[in-house]
Amino acid sequence: GQNIDQPTEMTATEGAIVQINCTYQTSGFNGLFWYQQHAGEAPTFLSYNVLDGLEEKGRFSSFLSRSKGYSYLLLKELQMKDSASYLCAVRSYMNSGYSTLTFGKGTMLLVSP
Amino acid sequence: GAVVSQHPSRVICKSGTSVKIECRSLDFQATTMFWYRQFPKQSLMLMATSNEGSKATYEQGVEKDKFLINHASLTLSTLTVTSAHPEDSSFYICSARDRGANMYGYTFGSGTRLTVV
Repeated sequence: GQNIDQPTEMTATEGAIVQINCTYQTSGFNGLFWYQQHAGEAPTFLSYNVLDGLEEKGRFSSFLSRSKGYSYLLLKELQMKDSASYLCAVRSYMNSGYSTLTFGKGTMLLVSP
Repeated sequence: GAVVSQHPSRVICKSGTSVKIECRSLDFQATTMFWYRQFPKQSLMLMATSNEGSKATYEQGVEKDKFLINHASLTLSTLTVTSAHPEDSSFYICSARDRGANMYGYTFGSGTRLTVV
C-alpha cells in the first residue's frame, strides 16, 4: 500500500519562510507533486519532482530525496493569500499498468500579519 | 493550458435520488479520468479510475453499483451517485490526463459540492 504523512497544521507570519515536510512509502514511485488547495476549491498545481534535488519556481521550491522517501515544499516571502491547504501527492505505477496519484491529508497553513 | 469543466458546482438532492456529475476536457483528449471524494478537513480520496471505452477500476471500499462511472468519449466522463444518502454528502472532484501528457499532465475540475438532505 501507500502511506503519505505530512503535518496537519502550520502557522507562520507574513514575509517569513515556511517548510512543509512530506514523507512517503510506496512502490512503483514515479514522481511527487505538491498542490495548493483553498477551501471549497479544486487543487492547483505547484510543483513536481521525480529526480532527487531541489526545484525552484519563484517563491516556491520543492525538494525530493527518493532514498529517504522525503520531500519538502518551501514557501518564501509569505503572503496572506498563501493561507491554504498544501497537499503532497505521490504518483505510482500500479500492477494494472496505469499510474495513480495518491494524496496526503494536507497541511493547513495559516499566515498571520 | 488544459482545462477540465466540471458541472454542477453545487447540488442539493433528496435522499434516495440520483445525481449525475459531468467532467469535460475542453481542449484535450482525456484518456484517463480520476474521480476523487473529499470530506471536510480531509484529503482527496481516489474513488475510481476510468479509461475511455473500458470499465472503471474502483478503489477498495467504493461501491461500483452506487457510484456509476461512464467514460464514453475522450472528452466526457460522468459520475452518477445512485440512491444518494446524507453520508454521500461530500466534495467530488475529477482529474484528467491527456493523450500527450507529460509528467505534469493532471488537470482538475473545479469540484462538485453534493449535499443530500
